[in-house]
Amino acid sequence: AQSVTQPDIHITVSEGASLELRCNYSYGATPYLFWYVQSPGQGLQLLLKYFSGDTLVQGIKGFEAEFKRSQSSFNLRKPSVHWSDAAEYFCAVGTGYQKVTFGIGTKLQVIP
Amino acid sequence: NAGVTQTPKFQVLKTGQSMTLQCAQDMNHEYMSWYRQDPGMGLRLIHYSVGAGITDQGEVPNGYNVSRSTTEDFPLRLLSAAPSQTSVYFCASRSTGFGGTSPAREKLFFGSGTQLSVL
Repeated sequence: AQSVTQPDIHITVSEGASLELRCNYSYGATPYLFWYVQSPGQGLQLLLKYFSGDTLVQGIKGFEAEFKRSQSSFNLRKPSVHWSDAAEYFCAVGTGYQKVTFGIGTKLQVIP
Repeated sequence: NAGVTQTPKFQVLKTGQSMTLQCAQDMNHEYMSWYRQDPGMGLRLIHYSVGAGITDQGEVPNGYNVSRSTTEDFPLRLLSAAPSQTSVYFCASRSTGFGGTSPAREKLFFGSGTQLSVL
């Protein structure tokens, strides 16, 4: 069965610093990979997704993620974090025909 | 464009009461689903539907009921609420994919959530 691991439940970074959120998955084939962001009191919004082609994908709000097949990872990065990036970030994998599995989320705090 | 609309935003129930969480989408999506979000557990799929008249169970279906009579609406029913159902509930929809591609690669559109407390 597929699974998604986000090892960092909570991360604090300073505004302007770089950010990397980790995501590892377990699945027998290449899954469809997503990062979603949830602002407080809101639903989830798609940041970016990967399903084939270039393993470095660009998303909204200056985020990017890199698919590394050898490490079963899809880490999310941003070169310079803004205070408005404070939110909870979810990695998700789509497998088979319908199924999407979410990680438990990483809560990002941005300090001045 | 309204997207996915959930009502109510907040609800408090007593144990044993019943209620229906409403979800509507205006994107003509065949796929609709309900998730619950609990601290430390991420989002877990409750039920989903791939079209009017077709529903199926997700990861945590017990205590919940769904039906899909139209493409637009996908209500979630709690028949006898329990404190374990205190959670934030999200409805989500997506397209079925194009050109025979897997729907699992399509992005999910989420509603803004319903915060439910069962006392």
